[in-house]
Amino acid sequence: DAMVIQNPRYQVTQFGKPVTLSCSQTLNHNVMYWYQQKSSQAPKLLFHYYDKDFNNEADTPDNFQSRRPNTSFCFLDIRSPGLGDAAMYLCATSREMGQGEGYTFGSGTRLTVV
Amino acid sequence: GEDVEQSLFLSVREGDSSVINCTYTDSSSTYLYWYKQEPGAGLQLLTYIFSNMDMKQDQRLTVLLNKKDKHLSLRIADTQTGDSAIYFCAENSASKIIFGSGTRLSIRP
Repeated sequence: DAMVIQNPRYQVTQFGKPVTLSCSQTLNHNVMYWYQQKSSQAPKLLFHYYDKDFNNEADTPDNFQSRRPNTSFCFLDIRSPGLGDAAMYLCATSREMGQGEGYTFGSGTRLTVV
Repeated sequence: GEDVEQSLFLSVREGDSSVINCTYTDSSSTYLYWYKQEPGAGLQLLTYIFSNMDMKQDQRLTVLLNKKDKHLSLRIADTQTGDSAIYFCAENSASKIIFGSGTRLSIRP
C-alpha cells in the first residue's frame, strides 16, 4: 500500500545532542511537510519541500533543519534539542499544494528529550 | 490572521450523535477539513468540503459549513466506541493546511 512511513516511532535523545527523524513516502507526492505537535495543541507547520524547493515557516527556530535528498525521503534534523522540543513530529505529503485532497500523514515520531 | 478554534472535549453516549464545532478566520480558505487522530497515530483525513458548498454527507458523517459565520461542524451519527479519538478541524490557507487544537471525543456506555 502506498503510504508515509516515519522512523523511529519513539526517539529519546539527550539535551543538546543532535537528532534526526526520517520520513519516506511511496506516493510519489511532490510536497513533503514537517509538523510539530505538542500535547493538546494544534499541529504546527515547521517547513515544507515542494520537490527540492525548501520553504521555512517564519517562526520555525533555527535549531530545526530539513533535508530532502530525493522524492521519497525527507529528514528533520534538530541540531541541539532542548526540553521544549519534546513533541510528536508528524510528516505529511500532498500531490500538490492548495488542493482539496488534503495531506497524507505518517504515524509520527514521539521525541523525548532527557 | 490564521486561527482555527474548537472546543477541547466532547462526551457523548454510545449510539447518540456527536456534533463537533469549529470556527476559522480566513474567509479565503477554499477547502475545510476534518481529520481524526487515534492514540499514538498520525492524522487521518475523514472528509473535506469545498467552500462553495454548505453541506456534505458521507455515510455517518455530515459536514455543515456556514461561510458567513466561518463556522464548520462535523456530525457523527450513531457514535460508536471506535469513534473515540481527537478530531481536528483545518482550513486551507495560503496553500497550507492550518489545524485547530483538536476536540477529544469520548464515548460513554
